[in-house]
Amino acid sequence: EDQVTQSPEALRLQEGESSSLNCSYTVSGLRGLFWYRQDPGKGPEFLFTLYSAGEEKEKERLKATLTKKESFLHITAPKPEDSATYLCARANSGGSNYKLTFGKGTLLTVNP
Amino acid sequence: DTGVSQDPRHKITKRGQNVTFRCDPISEHNRLYWYRQTLGQGPEFLTYFQNEAQLEKSRLLSDRFSAERPKGSFSTLEIQRTEQGDSAMYLCASSYGGNEKLFFGSGTQLSVL
Repeated sequence: EDQVTQSPEALRLQEGESSSLNCSYTVSGLRGLFWYRQDPGKGPEFLFTLYSAGEEKEKERLKATLTKKESFLHITAPKPEDSATYLCARANSGGSNYKLTFGKGTLLTVNP
Repeated sequence: DTGVSQDPRHKITKRGQNVTFRCDPISEHNRLYWYRQTLGQGPEFLTYFQNEAQLEKSRLLSDRFSAERPKGSFSTLEIQRTEQGDSAMYLCASSYGGNEKLFFGSGTQLSVL
């Protein structure tokens, strides 16, 4: 069964305190690994797609990386507006490649 | 382009009633998805349309659930004889072609009393 496990469940940071969120996934049949941001009462917002080990993508204070069995979302010098739930998801190769399997998310709180 | 639109944003209903939600995807997107999310969980896949064809339904989708996408445009998700366990956020998403980048709407929050 496809699994995506995120850690920690919740993370509190002070403004400017860099950290990383972890996403581990079942390796078999991976087509792509996705990161989304979700604000309270809103749908998830796409951040990154990673397809192969060693790939990295950046957007403002966020950088996503992928290894053979996990992905990291690095947050550099976070600001209070970065507070949100960050979701990791995988897509399978093959016939069901449109279907995303999400983790439970990491709730990030950045205090001023 | 105003993004994916869902209506209503909130729905409160009594157990046993039927409810229907609507999703208007981004206009040029041919793929449409429904997901369900409960508190503290990530979204769970429910069903998928390519144009007007419903190509997959999750085992999570019991016989009480039905979804349509007439003419490959907007979609509706109907839940018959609602149960308290149906309480959740119902999210619609759309994408274009084989691009797995999904654009989500803000969801419909269903509360079954």
